[in-house]
Amino acid sequence: DTAVSQTPKYLVTQMGNDKSIKCEQNLGHDTMYWYKQDSKKFLKIMFSYNNKELIINETVPNRFSPKSPDKAHLNLHINSLELGDSAVYFCASSAIVAGGSNEQFFGPGTRLTVL
Amino acid sequence: LAKTTQPISMDSYEGQEVNITCSHNNIATNDYITWYQQFPSQGPRFIIQGYKTKVTNEVASLFIPADRKSSTLSLPRVSLSDTAVYYCLVGDGNSGGGADGLTFGKGTHLIIQP
Repeated sequence: DTAVSQTPKYLVTQMGNDKSIKCEQNLGHDTMYWYKQDSKKFLKIMFSYNNKELIINETVPNRFSPKSPDKAHLNLHINSLELGDSAVYFCASSAIVAGGSNEQFFGPGTRLTVL
Repeated sequence: LAKTTQPISMDSYEGQEVNITCSHNNIATNDYITWYQQFPSQGPRFIIQGYKTKVTNEVASLFIPADRKSSTLSLPRVSLSDTAVYYCLVGDGNSGGGADGLTFGKGTHLIIQP
């Protein structure tokens, strides 16, 4: 069973369109994340949710809106797609660990290409 | 914000021990040091985590000096399959602590040759 899954794996779309990426984790974790990895391989945190509540929103344009219907899901909706949104988007999850730093489990990534 | 500095790339050969050092001069008291590995077209994978001194698991060792301003990931007897990008993260890792422990940076591209 896949611990963290994302759909779709590849997404090709035109500028100006609206698209969503779905993420699900079956690990029972309380915290979920979205990361963006650009063409230079820089992996940057976008959002973090804990128990369906937004905890971190790192200078992401308002066109990006995460939605967490329940603890196991964190979907990413992107409005009015731009060329610069082309990247690989990774979902991750972690458990809250007392006295330690949370090990994150990553999904396989969604490669978004905006034409 | 605890920043990390790693070499952009490293080369080694099969069977060698590889050490990748990460500098984190502004590490805070509550911060842990965590290393991840990422293969092409895959998400990062947790390797090891430590707070001080030495930590060892079945994959790697992590050496942290007393001042904790740097750390060294040690991979024993590497193979071709260890070719990957290695990221050093510093932070308490909890979302409540902000994005500090979630900043991956560009990592170190390790290339293992036959």
